[in-house]
Amino acid sequence: NAGVTQTPKFQVLKTGQSMTLQCAQDMNHNSMYWYRQDPGMGLRLIYYSASEGTTDKGEVPNGYNVSRLNKREFSLRLESAAPSQTSVYFCASSEYRGNSYEQYFGPGTRLTVT
Amino acid sequence: AQSVTQLGSHVSVSEGALVLLRCNYSSSVPPYLFWYVQYPNQGLQLLLKYTTGATLVKGINGFEAEFKKSETSFHLTKPSAHMSDAAEYFCAVGPLSSASKIIFGSGTRLSIRP
Repeated sequence: NAGVTQTPKFQVLKTGQSMTLQCAQDMNHNSMYWYRQDPGMGLRLIYYSASEGTTDKGEVPNGYNVSRLNKREFSLRLESAAPSQTSVYFCASSEYRGNSYEQYFGPGTRLTVT
Repeated sequence: AQSVTQLGSHVSVSEGALVLLRCNYSSSVPPYLFWYVQYPNQGLQLLLKYTTGATLVKGINGFEAEFKKSETSFHLTKPSAHMSDAAEYFCAVGPLSSASKIIFGSGTRLSIRP
């Protein structure tokens, strides 16, 4: 049981390049999320997927696209990277059952756009 | 709509002293409340959570938090700080349903003085 895994761990891109961040969870969770973390700003939600086949925008979706490939996998794509997208990206998954809820995070991807 | 406010972006205490990290929330319905900890260059780890029932919640590493509905607060405490407690701490609220998301505060960085 690996929990939430993310690849890659580190990435350097030039402005205008594209890339996809991969995320997978093995806990059979319905919901998955992509956050970005910047100094002094906490975690900001980029996109989330409440269930397989659905995706919704979060607080800061501009410049990103997502794909919920199946129940396990949720990818984040940067079509044309910009320096403002330099950040640490976290994927998370969650399950909500009545009065029980918890959310688990991946280890993060540190992205630098030059 | 839900929101979370963490008072103090940086808190510094002496080793052995009381740790108090403040969190206030806004929610139209009884909330789920969480505290997460993030050690340097790592992902977020769940410290504790309140869903229903007992308002004093005990978590890992000796931390606890008390849900006070009248004050809309969920402050995190630890009686005696240890050097290993130095980290960033995030309070979060939510979700309202399985189709929604949790909202994070901006974080409080805890430093421990020898």
